[in-house]
Amino acid sequence: ELKVEQNPLFLSMQEGKNYTIYCNYSTTSDRLYWYRQDPGKSLESLFVLLSNGAVKQEGRLMASLDTKARLSTLHITAAVHDLSATYFCAVHSGGSNYKLTFGKGTLLTVNP
Amino acid sequence: DGGITQSPKYLFRKEGQNVTLSCEQNLNHDAMYWYRQDPGQGLRLIYYSQIVNDFQKGDIAEGYSVSREKKESFPLTVTSAQKNPTAFYLCASRTSGGTQYFGPGTRLTVL
Repeated sequence: ELKVEQNPLFLSMQEGKNYTIYCNYSTTSDRLYWYRQDPGKSLESLFVLLSNGAVKQEGRLMASLDTKARLSTLHITAAVHDLSATYFCAVHSGGSNYKLTFGKGTLLTVNP
Repeated sequence: DGGITQSPKYLFRKEGQNVTLSCEQNLNHDAMYWYRQDPGQGLRLIYYSQIVNDFQKGDIAEGYSVSREKKESFPLTVTSAQKNPTAFYLCASRTSGGTQYFGPGTRLTVL
């Protein structure tokens, strides 16, 4: 059974600082997704990582994937208040059904 | 304007009552999914459908039922057998490349 662990689960940081969210998973997977969720809202797709060594960047967020270590990271550079949200990683468990297993999410709060 | 719609936004259920949540998409996606989210938790898969007239149980299907009579629609029924249905329910559809896009969600509360 695929298990996905995110850490930290809660992250409070100051504007302008850098930090990294980690996503570990327990079995081999060929793709990993990062989503953002604002309070009371749905999930917004941020990144799709399809291969070992893949790196994607959008604004102050950069995601990477190491399939050998079964680890993905979401790096935040020079955080701003607008990045406050919950971030989820989701791992594809293999097969054509594209079932995803989600981590519990990291609640990020960026303080002025 | 393509997208996924869910209705209602808020739903209240009495004990012993069945309720149906609507999910419609006009993205021409074959596959659709239903998830449940509890406070402070990730999403858990209830049911999914890869094609019309076919669907499979996810990880927490007990107390739920679905149908897929049309490509655009994937309604979820929460039956009285679901003992703890209060949650946020999210519907998604998937591109051929594998990315799932989510609807706005339905918040179900048991009275």
